[in-house]
Amino acid sequence: DVKVTQSSRYLVKRTGEKVFLECVQDMDHENMFWYRQDPGLGLRLIYFSYDVKMKEKGDIPEGYSVSREKKERFSLILESASTNQTSMYLCASSSLVRGPYNEQFFGPGTRLTVL
Amino acid sequence: EDKVVQSPLSLVVHEGDTVTLNCSYEVTNFRSLLWYKQEKKAPTFLFMLTSSGIEKKSGRLSSILDKKELFSILNITATQTGDSAVYLCAVEDGNTGFQKLVFGTGTRLLVSP
Repeated sequence: DVKVTQSSRYLVKRTGEKVFLECVQDMDHENMFWYRQDPGLGLRLIYFSYDVKMKEKGDIPEGYSVSREKKERFSLILESASTNQTSMYLCASSSLVRGPYNEQFFGPGTRLTVL
Repeated sequence: EDKVVQSPLSLVVHEGDTVTLNCSYEVTNFRSLLWYKQEKKAPTFLFMLTSSGIEKKSGRLSSILDKKELFSILNITATQTGDSAVYLCAVEDGNTGFQKLVFGTGTRLLVSP
């Protein structure tokens, strides 16, 4: 089974802190994604990566950066956390190879609170 | 702009009832529609639909896509308390070079015993 893990389930940080959210997948997937999920807004794509060291902006990249130094690991970085970045962050991965089921597999999420 | 709208926003039913969840979409270049179930943690994949009129079925859950009217429904028969979750609908936009999913806000289903 595909497993996507995230470094923390719950995180509390202070405004202005640098925050790292880590995601690791064990299925050798090329694609990895970071979303945030907010009530009434659904999941919104922050960044994605289709290969090591490659990254593309999603719909809401402002205030975030990412790093993919190894294929299995994709990190989301909040350079200077702000209260409006309080949210649930979900990581996902998928295969680049198109098949009958090309779904994204999600991690359990990190609930980040910025005070 | 791509858009996915789910209805109803929330629903409370009794165990044994049948429910229908709706998902309508607007996307410039449709590639597929996906349904996920989200309990307290990771969304888990239910179905991927690419062709109109072909029902996908898994146990008590089934789903169908209408590409002409731009919607999909997810049916759950003989509901159980374990079906309580948020059900997410997402559409893949084939215009981008990657697997971009646009999600709806979800339908929160509560099945009472």
